[in-house]
Amino acid sequence: EVQLVESGGGLIQPGGSLRLSCEASGVTVSRNYMSWVRQPPGQGLEWVSIIYSGGTTDYADSVRGRFDISRDTSRNIVYLQMNSLRVDDTAIYYCARGRGHFDYWGQGTLVTVSS
Amino acid sequence: IQLTQSPSSLSASVGDTVTITCRASQRISTYLSWYQQRPGKAPKLLIHSASTLQSGVPSRFSGSGSGTDFTLIISGLESEDFATYFCQQSYKSALTFGGGTKVDI
Repeated sequence: EVQLVESGGGLIQPGGSLRLSCEASGVTVSRNYMSWVRQPPGQGLEWVSIIYSGGTTDYADSVRGRFDISRDTSRNIVYLQMNSLRVDDTAIYYCARGRGHFDYWGQGTLVTVSS
Repeated sequence: IQLTQSPSSLSASVGDTVTITCRASQRISTYLSWYQQRPGKAPKLLIHSASTLQSGVPSRFSGSGSGTDFTLIISGLESEDFATYFCQQSYKSALTFGGGTKVDI
């Protein structure tokens, strides 16, 4: 059974940094495309970032240069390092498997950026 | 690529057939997926490649379309189908989602 468990969310001031983790079981992160997708409260979905099986990464324009996706293959965890956070980064952040379509999702972790 | 869903919300009854449309701002072949999201839950993949039913998804869900116009049909709405539905394109690497269609009673 595939499980993705996010953690690391919380309340952070504008300009601050936060690192989210996605602990995977039942799927090997180094052999899959792993993405982060976010959803502001009460709003729609926005793809944020992807790390491909080969290690290549990509980002939405809204976070490029501020966010960094990485993985720890020994612990089977995907990370999202978020820097220079802005109020409009407030959202539930989901970890998901896939790139063309996302077939497994975590339960999400809430990031609130506010002073 | 912008995806425009219509309607943004609709009211229906158990047993109804519901149609949701998704229009892309440029041609995307069949690089389109549909998701269902219940309140407080993560999205769930229903259909990918415009018309391929994801494993375990009931056959009352169906998808069609190619190019710029796509449709999700729920035939025989059940109580657990009251949720919000999103389309998503993967034609371009900058993946995008539609704004969502809320289906309520």
